[in-house]
Amino acid sequence: DVKVTQSSRYLVKRTGEKVFLECVQDMDHENMFWYRQDPGLGLRLIYFSYDVKMKEKGDIPEGYSVSREKKERFSLILESASTNQTSMYLCASRGGRALYEQYFGPGTRLTVT
Amino acid sequence: GQSLEQPSEVTAVEGAIVQINCTYQTSGFYGLSWYQQHDGGAPTFLSYNALDGLEETGRFSSFLSRSDSYGYLLLQELQMKDSASYFCAVKGRTDSWGKFQFGAGTQVVVTP
Repeated sequence: DVKVTQSSRYLVKRTGEKVFLECVQDMDHENMFWYRQDPGLGLRLIYFSYDVKMKEKGDIPEGYSVSREKKERFSLILESASTNQTSMYLCASRGGRALYEQYFGPGTRLTVT
Repeated sequence: GQSLEQPSEVTAVEGAIVQINCTYQTSGFYGLSWYQQHDGGAPTFLSYNALDGLEETGRFSSFLSRSDSYGYLLLQELQMKDSASYFCAVKGRTDSWGKFQFGAGTQVVVTP
């Protein structure tokens, strides 16, 4: 089974802090994604990476950056956290022939105070 | 760009059938996916339709009509464990493979 893990389930940070969210997948997938999930808005794509060191902006990249130095790991960085970044963050990966099927991690609920 | 519409909530009793509709607007169309997410859990993939018609997987089926820009997920013989949120997601033909657009989700509540 594909496994996608995220470094924290819950995180509380202060406004202005730099925040790192880590995601690791164990299936050698080329593609990895970061979404945020807010009530009534569904999943919105922040960034995705189609290979090591390759990234593409999603629909809401402002205030975020990403890093993919190794194939299995995709990091989301909040350079200076703000209260409007309080949300559930979901990482996903995709690979092989099933281009339409994404495997999600359990999520990190981030609260910025 | 794309937009998707699905109902916010559906309530039904155990054993019943529920249909969750998803209408979409895309610049070109490639396929429609469905995901299930239990409270506090990760979304999990249920099905994918690229061609018109019905795809059946056990108690769940998914349907697509490309001419109507419409699809639905059918949940049969509802069980309490089916209480969850269900999301449709589309990929436009001109979008890169990273850009699936997700709907806001439909909360399915199953009552005894």
